[in-house]
Amino acid sequence: DGGITQSPKYLFRKEGQNVTLSCEQNLNHDAMYWYRQDPGQGLRLIYYSQIVNDFQKGDIAEGYSVSREKKESFPLTVTSAQKNPTAFYLCASGSGTLFNYNEQFFGPGTRLTVL
Amino acid sequence: GQQVMQIPQYQHVQEGEDFTTYCNSSTTLSNIQWYKQRPGGHPVFLIQLVKSGEVKKQKRLTFQFGEAKKNSSLHITATQTTDVGTYFCARGGSDYKLSFGAGTTVTVRA
Repeated sequence: DGGITQSPKYLFRKEGQNVTLSCEQNLNHDAMYWYRQDPGQGLRLIYYSQIVNDFQKGDIAEGYSVSREKKESFPLTVTSAQKNPTAFYLCASGSGTLFNYNEQFFGPGTRLTVL
Repeated sequence: GQQVMQIPQYQHVQEGEDFTTYCNSSTTLSNIQWYKQRPGGHPVFLIQLVKSGEVKKQKRLTFQFGEAKKNSSLHITATQTTDVGTYFCARGGSDYKLSFGAGTTVTVRA
């Protein structure tokens, strides 16, 4: 939706397994983001990337990893080190500059459940 | 990141009534954005406010940025069932980042 796709929509994993969530955008945006959303809470930033081959930790990066090898793609791996991974994961992209913020466009999200 | 506080957390509105949700910060905001997330959906950008005292309208929605740039509000008139969802404010920070509030979840009684 809005040029950002996430897959899969629903994901189930067994405790102790790593899992990778896909995020692709065709909006030609430089910046991409991963957020986690829990019931009754806002969006918390996991990782973000301003440019290819560069990314920074957000507020809750522990137990997660990312890569940015292509402008269009920003996959997120939820590792077994993440203590409470069950959540709704949202990927977003944006085209703002450092002091001129533009809106972020969100994908449809992946709902991860750890069994 | 620096937080923005949203109140109320929940808003139950009778169809046709007006309501306002607020976004507050203890520090000056360079800008504020508002997003709407429908149940089961993803956040969608509504608007961005940048100037002190700025007021913007989108049909029944009125957005304000405080004179001191420490608060913002969203006012909806004549609430409809299509207004159901969670409204988030987000502050722009350094490095292209946004910090989101916890949101106001709106339900509408027909």
